[in-house]
Amino acid sequence: SQQGEEDPQALSIQEGENATMNCSYKTSINNLQWYRQNSGRGLVHLILIRSNEREKHSGRLRVTLDTSKKSSSLLITASRAADTASYFCATNGNRDDKIIFGKGTRLHILP
Amino acid sequence: DAMVIQNPRYQVTQFGKPVTLSCSQTLNHNVMYWYQQKSSQAPKLLFHYYDKDFNNEADTPDNFQSRRPNTSFCFLDIRSPGLGDTAMYLCATSRDAASGLETQYFGPGTRLLVL
Repeated sequence: SQQGEEDPQALSIQEGENATMNCSYKTSINNLQWYRQNSGRGLVHLILIRSNEREKHSGRLRVTLDTSKKSSSLLITASRAADTASYFCATNGNRDDKIIFGKGTRLHILP
Repeated sequence: DAMVIQNPRYQVTQFGKPVTLSCSQTLNHNVMYWYQQKSSQAPKLLFHYYDKDFNNEADTPDNFQSRRPNTSFCFLDIRSPGLGDTAMYLCATSRDAASGLETQYFGPGTRLLVL
């Protein structure tokens, strides 16, 4: 079964607003990553947070990790039309050489 | 600068006609992956190579094979494509890291249509 489950499955917000997506997972992890996928394209890595980290920032992105709740959130501040995409969390567990993707959140930024 | 290249970008094949998808990388990464992604679904790992060591996922059909002749290239062979194999196929690479898995770098994907 998939490791990560994103919530919500789909999200539409106005340009300029903040977007928050959540990810829950089931077993212990070494790290958790967030990826973006524009329609019909490959995935682009956004940010990696290790199991001993609680928060990480990259530009307009903020990721939190709560290992006690087995959950992570991705916050995109001041959203732009170009942020319209699907966002996936991916976890790396006991095996070091593969990750498992969640089902993704489809984010739509309205003009 | 392209780092992970996939060819072709679009492939149409007939039911049962073998097809080969290719992936090349300029990153000199040890690990290469093949994923299958169906519409509105998450990428599903088919198999990966750690250097020359092949690692197949338990639920990957025998119809799917892979070859990695050198560090830079990796191929996905579908021996007898079925209609259910219509999907996007994504290649990715990552660097061997002593501390665990690092970022995966994805190619643009090959969209396969089986008729």
